[in-house]
Amino acid sequence: KNEVEQSPQNLTAQEGEFITINCSYSVGISALHWLQQHPGGGIVSLFMLSSGKKKHGRLIATINIQEKHSSLHITASHPRDSAVYICAVKGGNQFYFGTGTSLTVIP
Amino acid sequence: DVKVTQSSRYLVKRTGEKVFLECVQDMDHENMFWYRQDPGLGLRLIYFSYDVKMKEKGDIPEGYSVSREKKERFSLILESASTNQTSMYLCASSLPGGDPSGNTIYFGEGSWLTVV
Repeated sequence: KNEVEQSPQNLTAQEGEFITINCSYSVGISALHWLQQHPGGGIVSLFMLSSGKKKHGRLIATINIQEKHSSLHITASHPRDSAVYICAVKGGNQFYFGTGTSLTVIP
Repeated sequence: DVKVTQSSRYLVKRTGEKVFLECVQDMDHENMFWYRQDPGLGLRLIYFSYDVKMKEKGDIPEGYSVSREKKERFSLILESASTNQTSMYLCASSLPGGDPSGNTIYFGEGSWLTVV
């Protein structure tokens, strides 16, 4: 069972490109997270959304509750954006995670 | 800032050894979680605890046990380590689900366990 599906699984981009990562979920949620994980393991939350759109610097996250879909956009991508991006949803007392998108941005 | 601290970042253990992974959080969170992360599989829930001495099995509890004797500490125990338990283990904490603040989850830095 995959409550959260992410695509693509791997993504390579040239520096400066616009990047989109997609997330679909099948459970009722109270919130959706976009998480970032750099090599070495630590995970940080980039965004928490329950509706609409949020922007932080070059990162934009959107969510469509009716369609159960969210996107993470990175504008003007940079090599330091290279990381694994994970979509996670909160349903009840539990968190459900996508398998992650491994992003590599080439200079 | 919320801090979730995992005591060991890198461990190498022999097959059959008993392994303890410790996690401490400093924000008085009721909920604590242990996940393992493997390539292509994402984060899979091993156990979670919603209060002291309370625990529930996650998706992959086999071969693991947990202990929560104090609110701030959640321990993962591998009674007899096996090579298929080589993985990255992540601890996390949050407030209860009914609290909007409980929508936020905080992770530790992860523990890389190799069983040889």
